[in-house]
Amino acid sequence: KQEVTQIPAALSVPEGENLVLNCSFTDSAIYNLQWFRQDPGKGLTSLLLIQSSQREQTSGRLNASLDKSSGRSTLYIAASQPGDSATYLCAAPTQGGSEKLVFGKGTKLTVNP
Amino acid sequence: DAGVTQSPTHLIKTRGQQVTLRCSPKSGHDTVSWYQQALGQGPQFIFQYYEEEERQRGNFPDRFSGHQFPNYSSELNVNALLLGDSALYLCASSFGPARQPQHFGDGTRLSIL
Repeated sequence: KQEVTQIPAALSVPEGENLVLNCSFTDSAIYNLQWFRQDPGKGLTSLLLIQSSQREQTSGRLNASLDKSSGRSTLYIAASQPGDSATYLCAAPTQGGSEKLVFGKGTKLTVNP
Repeated sequence: DAGVTQSPTHLIKTRGQQVTLRCSPKSGHDTVSWYQQALGQGPQFIFQYYEEEERQRGNFPDRFSGHQFPNYSSELNVNALLLGDSALYLCASSFGPARQPQHFGDGTRLSIL
């Protein structure tokens, strides 16, 4: 059974700082892993999808990595801005390439001006 | 290009009542998945519809049922509402049942009194 854990649960940083959010999963036989952003009271916005063959994916100031052997993924945010404040969720398929996603509880990020 | 749209935005019901939530997938998508997100938790998979049939189901009781229409839109029905059903209900769509990334709507906030 796939379980996804995110550490830390909350993070507060000053503007401009580089930061790393962590995600771990128990079943490493996955084809991909996805990172989402959720603003308060809103739905999920897909940030990055990493295929198992890619190991890393970048979009602007965001970089996500995937290490299946250790069951870990990280989301790196460079030069954080107050607009980055949100909850960040990672999600892995229940098995292989299943469309049924298992989510972590998220990391609530606050970037202070 | 219209994204995933959900209605209503907010809903208040009392215990024992029944509720129907609606979702229109992103243009070009034919698969709809439903998730329940309790406060402070990650979303949990309820079920997925493709070709008007339920393909996969999460660990939810039969009080939760759904339907997909020929135009790919979908409904989530919950009977005999319990206080614990209070949550944000998210709809996600994709092109094909095993495709990522899934695109999410802003959700319906359901409150049970």
